[in-house]
Amino acid sequence: DVVLTQTPPTLSATIGQSVSISCRSSQSLLHSNGNTYLNWLLQRPGQPPQLLIYLVSRLESGVPNRFSGSGSGTDFTLKISGVEAEDLGVYYCVQSTHAPTFGAGTKLELK
Amino acid sequence: QVQLKESGPGLVQPSQTLSLTCTVSGFSLTSYNVHWVRQPPGKGLEWMGVIWSGGNTDYNSALKPRLSISRDTSKSQVFLTMNSLQTEDTGIYYCTMGIGFAYWGQGTLVTVSS
Repeated sequence: DVVLTQTPPTLSATIGQSVSISCRSSQSLLHSNGNTYLNWLLQRPGQPPQLLIYLVSRLESGVPNRFSGSGSGTDFTLKISGVEAEDLGVYYCVQSTHAPTFGAGTKLELK
Repeated sequence: QVQLKESGPGLVQPSQTLSLTCTVSGFSLTSYNVHWVRQPPGKGLEWMGVIWSGGNTDYNSALKPRLSISRDTSKSQVFLTMNSLQTEDTGIYYCTMGIGFAYWGQGTLVTVSS
């Protein structure tokens, strides 16, 4: 199974601060069809996860453009350019190039 | 618009079988894949399995011996059946679909307890 390692496990930020979350895969996530199926989700307390970024860097409709994704192969990053209060929660990377697996999550808290 | 809604018994006794239903609207099960994902209390997300648009299934290797996913396309429903439940199977069970897992149900809480 593909293991996704997210760092850091917890992130403390002030409003307006820019932060990054790393997701490293134990195998390349490049599919034979040329796509890389690495996505980022945000789960707010008591809510189901919400898709933010798909195919590494594509912003889901309705998601603010302060969120951005980058990376290739086995190393991926989610960046939030100017944290807002509504961004607090747990961020997960998830891959579906292989049988789907999730990272352990990164909890974004207010400092 | 796309909607998914999970339903199930809430409480299951240890060693018994769990049966959950995901009722969908806004899309056809013959055109889109539906996944099941679960989340133990206070923990992360675990992919359980998928029923592909063509009707085939794939499962998490750790759950495969106990898990079955099926569907009734005429009722727009996807079913999850898992046997030999233990306390560690307690959690919220979600159905989800779309590119990147774009659409999720609200989840249904399953508690395994005697």
